[in-house]
Amino acid sequence: DAGVIQSPRHEVTEMGQEVTLRCKPISGHNSLFWYRQTMMRGLELLIYFNNNVPIDDSGMPEDRFSAKMPNASFSTLKIQPSEPRDSAVYFCASSLPPGAEQFFGPGTRLTVL
Amino acid sequence: AQSVTQPDIHITVSEGASLELRCNYSYGATPYLFWYVQSPGQGLQLLLKYFSGDTLVQGIKGFEAEFKRSQSSFNLRKPSVHWSDAAEYFCAVGALGAGKSTFGDGTTLTVKP
Repeated sequence: DAGVIQSPRHEVTEMGQEVTLRCKPISGHNSLFWYRQTMMRGLELLIYFNNNVPIDDSGMPEDRFSAKMPNASFSTLKIQPSEPRDSAVYFCASSLPPGAEQFFGPGTRLTVL
Repeated sequence: AQSVTQPDIHITVSEGASLELRCNYSYGATPYLFWYVQSPGQGLQLLLKYFSGDTLVQGIKGFEAEFKRSQSSFNLRKPSVHWSDAAEYFCAVGALGAGKSTFGDGTTLTVKP
């Protein structure tokens, strides 16, 4: 298995632009997690899905952030409009079953200028 | 509510020396416990996990951890550290079926030559 796949690996954008991060979980995993990591705030859980349904989005910082999981093999995290304080590394992880160990992707490093 | 405390933000050890990273957790039910490692520029990788049974668990890269219910601890150990072990280490607690895991703030390990 290729593991969790994230794209792009690096994204540089200007403030106000829309950013879309993509994730393909490990085949057969039914839980998917989006995290954000910064030096200041560490690793933060933004949202997680179980069987494509959002279960807990309490970590989503504000309405500018949205996440979708249209099917079991694809998820997106969108930021619109982006701001410099959104600069971070965003990780996607998947697991089976819920609560078991999580498999992390390599991350997307986002820089908002 | 579940929580994880990693008391040591940063630890420095000499190559070849032994290592112990501390982790204390708070969880109302029987916990699932994990240790993850994050090398620079990488995603988190599972080192080991405890679900039940033998309280001393072996992981990859020569690491082991011991679950002590009476102390609510799950400390990570390695008898002889290698320079390649320099990384950030995260302890996490969850439960099967509970969905998300709670991560500690991480401990950064520096290895001196």
